[in-house]
Amino acid sequence: GNSVTQMEGPVTLSEEAFLTINCTYTATGYPSLFWYVQYPGEGLQLLLKATKADDKGSNKGFEATYRKETTSFHLEKGSVQVSDSAVYFCALRVGGSQGNLIFGKGTKLSVKP
Amino acid sequence: GAVVSQHPSRVICKSGTSVKIECRSLDFQATTMFWYRQFPKQSLMLMATSNEGSKATYEQGVEKDKFLINHASLTLSTLTVTSAHPEDSSFYICSASFGGSQNIQYFGAGTRLSVL
Repeated sequence: GNSVTQMEGPVTLSEEAFLTINCTYTATGYPSLFWYVQYPGEGLQLLLKATKADDKGSNKGFEATYRKETTSFHLEKGSVQVSDSAVYFCALRVGGSQGNLIFGKGTKLSVKP
Repeated sequence: GAVVSQHPSRVICKSGTSVKIECRSLDFQATTMFWYRQFPKQSLMLMATSNEGSKATYEQGVEKDKFLINHASLTLSTLTVTSAHPEDSSFYICSASFGGSQNIQYFGAGTRLSVL
């Protein structure tokens, strides 16, 4: 079946530290891959996405590269800020744009000043 | 960006009562709305998908008579948890989409349901 595994949190970093949140997936067919972010008290927001192998999604200084050979989509940011504190969800979708999203469990990131 | 409002954000109820959760798309018409459930330290699990004016499509294992979904307009969907029991306590999240080539979902902030 289709599934997403992401590293368990919480992750606590100091401001300006380098961030990596690992995400691997299992999917039938060719999924699209997503990272969503949920800030406290708000709904999930699409952070970035990639629709095919070797694509790199990027937004707000975050990046993730679709690695088919390792079935991974790790999220990275070179220098985190306190405002990046949130829960991050990795997700996949198969079946094109009409397919359902399948989420990982989420990783809580806390950035300390 | 597109905004989805979910209400209430938190509800506590007695066992046996019914609880209604509303999901509204504030600045767009949502052709499709989704309802998810999330248990502590678990993934968001899709419960059902609803299109305006038609019956919801429930995922396997979700009781449609227990979780009533109404999508009466292009901006409002409701989830009613009927005869709630403590095992229904969870975090319920809705999302809405207006279709298009990318079919992006916009999420509400979620509702924490606690059944005593």
